[in-house]
Parts: sequence; structure tokens; C-alpha cells
Amino acid sequence: NAGVTQTPKFQVLKTGQSMTLQCAQDMNHNSMYWYRQDPGMGLRLIYYSASEGTTDKGEVPNGYNVSRLNKREFSLRLESAAPSQTSVYFCASSDGRDTQYFGPGTRLTVL
Amino acid sequence: AQKITQTQPGMFVQEKEAVTLDCTYDTSDPSYGLFWYKQPSSGEMIFLIYQGSYDQQNATEGRYSLNFQKARKSANLVISASQLGDSAMYFCAMRERNFGNEKLTFGTGTRLTIIP
Repeated sequence: NAGVTQTPKFQVLKTGQSMTLQCAQDMNHNSMYWYRQDPGMGLRLIYYSASEGTTDKGEVPNGYNVSRLNKREFSLRLESAAPSQTSVYFCASSDGRDTQYFGPGTRLTVL
Repeated sequence: AQKITQTQPGMFVQEKEAVTLDCTYDTSDPSYGLFWYKQPSSGEMIFLIYQGSYDQQNATEGRYSLNFQKARKSANLVISASQLGDSAMYFCAMRERNFGNEKLTFGTGTRLTIIP
């Protein structure tokens, strides 16, 4: 099993460009999450989806949109990237029990 | 108020010694879960150990144990017989559930360096 996969692994954008980060899980989990990790800040929740067809804002949703395409896939979109969105982005999924499983992360730089 | 507090930004420990990483939390939810994750320099988040708020015994997983003191709202990670491969960032996290939705809040982490 691949677990949680994320694409791309690295991305460089110019200010104002848009892009979509892709996430997929093969564990049949209902819940999926997007986090960002900044130096000294730990991980902060951007958006989450408790089930297919539902999405909710987390701690830092401004500047982002999400789509829960189906049970497997949960994408994160930056419509107009800003330097403040330079970060490492993690996707995670959960079966609602003991733990969340994380993808390998996407390192995004916005110039 | 911070929901998860890790007061040790960095620690240096001699190889083979035991190490305790501190974590305190704040919640009014009677049902919650506490986690520890390890993040090596390669960047992935590795689940280490879980403690539920109603669990009677402290969780253990191999060399990892969680010293859960509910009244003090602390959930310290203890690593016994530390190894060079334990050098990494360690994050404490708390899971809360509201109306069936699950959220995980992370602390700012502790960078552990094992000295040979």
C-alpha cells in the first residue's frame, strides 16, 4: 500500500501564480487534512474534510481552497500565491481512531 | 492560550541515556487523544505513540513510553536507551472531536540531538 501520496514534492512559484497540490490515500479513510509547517511554528491545520463531499476551515485557511474530489483525493489550491505561503505542506488521512497518517510533504517556495 | 506547549526547543543527550520530552496541553473536552510524532531531517512525519484520555495505563511502544499525568495536563514522551537515529524533531499533538469532526493541534516541537 502506498498510504498517503502527495504531488509535487517541490514547487517554485512566482507571486500571483496559481497551483494545486494533490493528495491521495489508499487506506479507505473518511477524514483528510491539509497542514502547513513553517519554521518554529509546528504544523497548522489549513482545511480538513471529515467525509466525501464536506470540507471545513482549520486554523489558517486564508488564501487557500480545497476540493474533496472523492473518498481518495483531497486537493489544495492556491489561487494567487504570496511569499507568505512559502512553506512545507502536508496532507494526512485518518480513520477517526488512533492516528493520522501523513504524506511525504510538498516544499513550496513563492518568490 | 496555547493548546499544546512544548517548552524545550532543543535538547542534547548522550547516546544510551534516557530522555524525556515535555508536553503540556489545554482542553475542556473530556474525550481527547495525545500523540507524539517524530520528524527526521528527511522531513516525513512518523507516528510514535498514542494515549487516549480515558486510558488507565500509560502507553508504551518499544523504547517509547508516554508519561500521562491527566490532572497536570501533561503527556511527556520518554525514550529509553537513546540511539543516534533518535536525533530528530519531536512533535506533541492533541486530537479533539467536535460533532464528529476531528482536529489535530501540534506543538512547536523539540529538536533532539543524540551525542555519541
